[in-house]
Amino acid sequence: EAAVTQSPRNKVTVTGGNVTLSCRQTNSHNYMYWYRQDTGHGLRLIHYSYGAGNLQIGDVPDGYKATRTTQEDFFLLLELASPSQTSLYFCASSVTNQDTQYFGPGTRLLVL
Amino acid sequence: AQSVTQPDARVTVSEGASLQLRCKYSYSGTPYLFWYVQYPRQGLQLLLKYYSGDPVVQGVNGFEAEFSKSNSSFHLRKASVHWSDSAVYFCVLSLTGNYKYVFGAGTRLKVIA
Repeated sequence: EAAVTQSPRNKVTVTGGNVTLSCRQTNSHNYMYWYRQDTGHGLRLIHYSYGAGNLQIGDVPDGYKATRTTQEDFFLLLELASPSQTSLYFCASSVTNQDTQYFGPGTRLLVL
Repeated sequence: AQSVTQPDARVTVSEGASLQLRCKYSYSGTPYLFWYVQYPRQGLQLLLKYYSGDPVVQGVNGFEAEFSKSNSSFHLRKASVHWSDSAVYFCVLSLTGNYKYVFGAGTRLKVIA
């Protein structure tokens, strides 16, 4: 069973604050993804990567940076957090870009 | 543009009753289709997937789905639901040769006694 972990599980910050969300997968998957989940929108792709050092822009990238430091680790950075970024964030990984994605448990972020 | 529509935002069924959750997609290419389930305070988990072949695919926990190219649909079914099936269900379209998953908005299922 693929394992994807996220930290922290919950985070509260203030407007203008700096936040880093972490994701680690232990199955040597090539692809990793960051999504946000908001009521009525399903999941929306922020950024994704197909290997260490690679970064691709998703559908809602504004206000977010990401970095893939190793095969296992993918980080999402909010350098000037805004209340509109209050959301539930999921990380996922997959072997190929069309295969099953394995999701982490999510990070709930509140920006005051 | 590609899209996935789950027309029912909420569905309530009695325990032991049958279930159908509807999914319609819009895509001119060959679709790869998935159903994922999200239990409270958890990430999404794969129920089943369809790539090609037999249009009826079996998944975990007694779920199955039927692909219809003519109707652009991929409805999820279960013969007899259990209270533990209460969750949010997402229909997902993967585009040929593309990184992208297209998510439906989800259907929240509530199973009552």
